[in-house]
Amino acid sequence: EVQLVQSGAEVKKPGESLKISCKGSGYSFTSYWIGWVRQMPGKGLEWMGIIYPGDSDTRYSPSFQGQVTISADKSISTAYLQWSSLKASDTAMYYCVRQSSSPPLWGQGTLVTVSS
Amino acid sequence: SYELTQPPSVSVSPGQTARITCSGDALPKQYAYWYQQKPGQAPVLVIYKDSERPSGIPERFSGSSSGTTVTLTISGVQAEDEADYYCQSADSSGTSYVFGTGTKVTVL
Repeated sequence: EVQLVQSGAEVKKPGESLKISCKGSGYSFTSYWIGWVRQMPGKGLEWMGIIYPGDSDTRYSPSFQGQVTISADKSISTAYLQWSSLKASDTAMYYCVRQSSSPPLWGQGTLVTVSS
Repeated sequence: SYELTQPPSVSVSPGQTARITCSGDALPKQYAYWYQQKPGQAPVLVIYKDSERPSGIPERFSGSSSGTTVTLTISGVQAEDEADYYCQSADSSGTSYVFGTGTKVTVL
């Protein structure tokens, strides 16, 4: 089965670091771009950035450049989204997406809660 | 940065037709995707590549494109179609994606 499986919900304190994951299976992981999407509580969908696991070419949305790091480990078919110092405003649901002109494929989402 | 513009809300009576527009300068060159999102649920793809319908999506959902505007049409709207709808596409470079601001569809 072709799927993206994301890591579980996280509860963190402001200033802590975090890395969440998105594991692809059932397809050639290195052949498709993987993007990350943020949805803050009660708000719309925001595109954060995208990575091509084949060569780790990464593009960030201007709003997220410098705020997060997107990476991938093709040896284990996994993409990552990480923060070095979380803020309360990073509280949101985060989705990974296999972005292609064939139907895009979404992960189930990872809820990140940042609270003191 | 690139933007996609949607109307904030659309209201429609059951059985009528709802049309949601999405405007962006690169839409003549880039495919558009449409997502439905109900409260507390993950987004669901309802249209991809401007007008293709994924398996399992009812035929009442259709997509079209004309110039810098793409349109999601819901024919014979049902109460269950009440949701937020987002368009998504890429800028002219093809790898910088963006979502529209979202349209809340209310079934009267």
